[in-house]
Amino acid sequence: RKEVEQDPGPFNVPEGATVAFNCTYSNSASQSFFWYRQDCRKEPKLLMSVYSSGNEDGRFTAQLNRASQYISLLIRDSKLSDSATYLCVVYTSGGSYIPTFGRGTSLIVHP
Amino acid sequence: DTGVSQDPRHKITKRGQNVTFRCDPISEHNRLYWYRQTLGQGPEFLTYFQNEAQLEKSRLLSDRFSAERPKGSFSTLEIQRTEQGDSAMYLCASSRGNIGTDEQYFGPGTRLTVT
Repeated sequence: RKEVEQDPGPFNVPEGATVAFNCTYSNSASQSFFWYRQDCRKEPKLLMSVYSSGNEDGRFTAQLNRASQYISLLIRDSKLSDSATYLCVVYTSGGSYIPTFGRGTSLIVHP
Repeated sequence: DTGVSQDPRHKITKRGQNVTFRCDPISEHNRLYWYRQTLGQGPEFLTYFQNEAQLEKSRLLSDRFSAERPKGSFSTLEIQRTEQGDSAMYLCASSRGNIGTDEQYFGPGTRLTVT
């Protein structure tokens, strides 16, 4: 089993839809979690951190479920500009914190 | 531009040649990471530095790969005796703050093609 797993998609949704992605991790020692966004042929850019209590930034909500070992990203009122690949990253402590990225979930928002 | 920069942006080399890439992080960032990314995959961690100290190195990193950050500022990644399997995008990222809670800022990457 991979350390960090994401459904590669693509998730194909109409504008205005609500869409959610999950990212599962296998190591219970994982400490920190983030979502990044990567546009085609561009570098990843931080979207948001994932706190234990969950956090919201505009149309985006990130949550952590430690018991089931996954994080989620919810996007409300999808825009065409939300089309991108969404990468989760999990930091696991093994002396130093090593960041492990998932393979990403592709989102396509269509008119 | 005060972001992370990488040079070159593209590199085409023949199998067996050595290549070196450079990364200039955001100036006040003390941590610097190298990743490799292939099509359809997320960035794969290679190594990271805190200031000039290389603190972690992926076990996936063969001895043909070496990285340095001599003065705690820019970093270089060298690949010796390149193989076709080394073809990928090599990404550099920098950050500051507490390890494990740091937000990484990525450079545009160096795309390596080994022929």
